[in-house]
Amino acid sequence: GDSVTQMEGPVTLSEEAFLTINCTYTATGYPSLFWYVQYPGEGLQLLLKATKADDKGSNKGFEATYRKETTSFHLEKGSVQVSDSAVYFCALSDQAGTALIFGKGTTLSVSS
Amino acid sequence: ETGVTQSPTHLIKTRGQQVTLRCSSQSGHNTVSWYQQALGQGPQFIFQYYREEENGRGNFPPRFSGLQFPNYSSELNVNALELDDSALYLCASSPRASGGPLSYEQYFGPGTRLTVT
Repeated sequence: GDSVTQMEGPVTLSEEAFLTINCTYTATGYPSLFWYVQYPGEGLQLLLKATKADDKGSNKGFEATYRKETTSFHLEKGSVQVSDSAVYFCALSDQAGTALIFGKGTTLSVSS
Repeated sequence: ETGVTQSPTHLIKTRGQQVTLRCSSQSGHNTVSWYQQALGQGPQFIFQYYREEENGRGNFPPRFSGLQFPNYSSELNVNALELDDSALYLCASSPRASGGPLSYEQYFGPGTRLTVT
């Protein structure tokens, strides 16, 4: 079945460092891809999305490109801030277009 | 614009009891999905409701059931609670058109933390 694999964390960075969180997927067809962020004690917030191959999603300095050839959707940010500390989830829409299938999440901790 | 709201925020139940969780969808959204997030894990899809009918279901037993009301709000009911049901339950709404793909993003509520003792 469809699945998402994220790099294991925690990822610990200093402020202004470059961030990459790897995400690869297995899916039948052409799913939409998403990154969600979860701050401590809160629900999930959509960070960005891409709906077809080569699309680049971007928001708040974060970017991810839908790479069909490598089945990847890596999250990047050029300069992280302490306020970016959170858990990041990569997700795809299932074949029926009903459910989101999530990875296990990657914890990011940014120190000043 | 009001976002997705859920109630209660926290809940403690005893094994074998029944629980009802509630969700109000974001204004203009007609589809509601429920997810279970165990500690340290990603959310797992329970089911989705569209036009008051179940529109897809994940790998959860029948003791997990739901309802959607004409105003698009929804309930998640869990019978015969087990210890493993302890989790954060997330509701998400989306403006999905009938039969359309999930290119519409899902907007999540803050969740209900359920503890089963």
